[in-house]
Amino acid sequence: QKEVEQNSGPLSVPEGAIASLNCTYSDRVSQSFFWYRQYSGKSPELIMSIYSNGDKEDGRFTAQLNKASQYVSLLIRDSQPSDSATYLCAVLTGGGNKLTFGTGTQLKVEL
Amino acid sequence: NAGVTQTPKFRILKIGQSMTLQCTQDMNHNYMYWYRQDPGMGLKLIYYSVGAGITDKGEVPNGYNVSRSTTEDFPLRLELAAPSQTSVYFCASSYPKGGVVSSYNEQFFGPGTRLTVL
Repeated sequence: QKEVEQNSGPLSVPEGAIASLNCTYSDRVSQSFFWYRQYSGKSPELIMSIYSNGDKEDGRFTAQLNKASQYVSLLIRDSQPSDSATYLCAVLTGGGNKLTFGTGTQLKVEL
Repeated sequence: NAGVTQTPKFRILKIGQSMTLQCTQDMNHNYMYWYRQDPGMGLKLIYYSVGAGITDKGEVPNGYNVSRSTTEDFPLRLELAAPSQTSVYFCASSYPKGGVVSSYNEQFFGPGTRLTVL
């Protein structure tokens, strides 16, 4: 079983819709979770972090964490074509020193 | 602040050649990391360092070496390049907020080095 799993996609949503990206992880003691956005040919950039169960909102982005189910999600409201990118889920492991990344979900927002 | 800088941006190596990928950060971060990313894949950790003089292996260290003589610099050395090392290499840095290692670890990434081994 992979440590951090994501559907590779592509996930296609129409402009203005809600995009839902999902991630599961295997290490039950993980405490910190991150979503990175990566445009093609560019480096990852952090867009959300979450540490407690529940929802965390930042603008059009909402991260959701359920530690009991070992599940993290990212919702993007009012999706824009500029949101088209690969979204990487990352989990802090190794005693807090290392991030383990999923393979990413490609999101396409269509006009 | 320039953040995390990497050189070169692109490089083509022949099998068996060696090279050093440079990484520098000006944010006074303790932690630095090297990742590789193969097409359509996530990031794989090669090596990391929690401070000057301290390095440790990540998930895929074979064929690579690192050193950390200063806080700012974390070069990655490839010896005897092989086609399997064709990839995009990212350097990143971070810090433990509030001095608590497990509490927070936002990583800032450099622009990457695209390496091809032929």
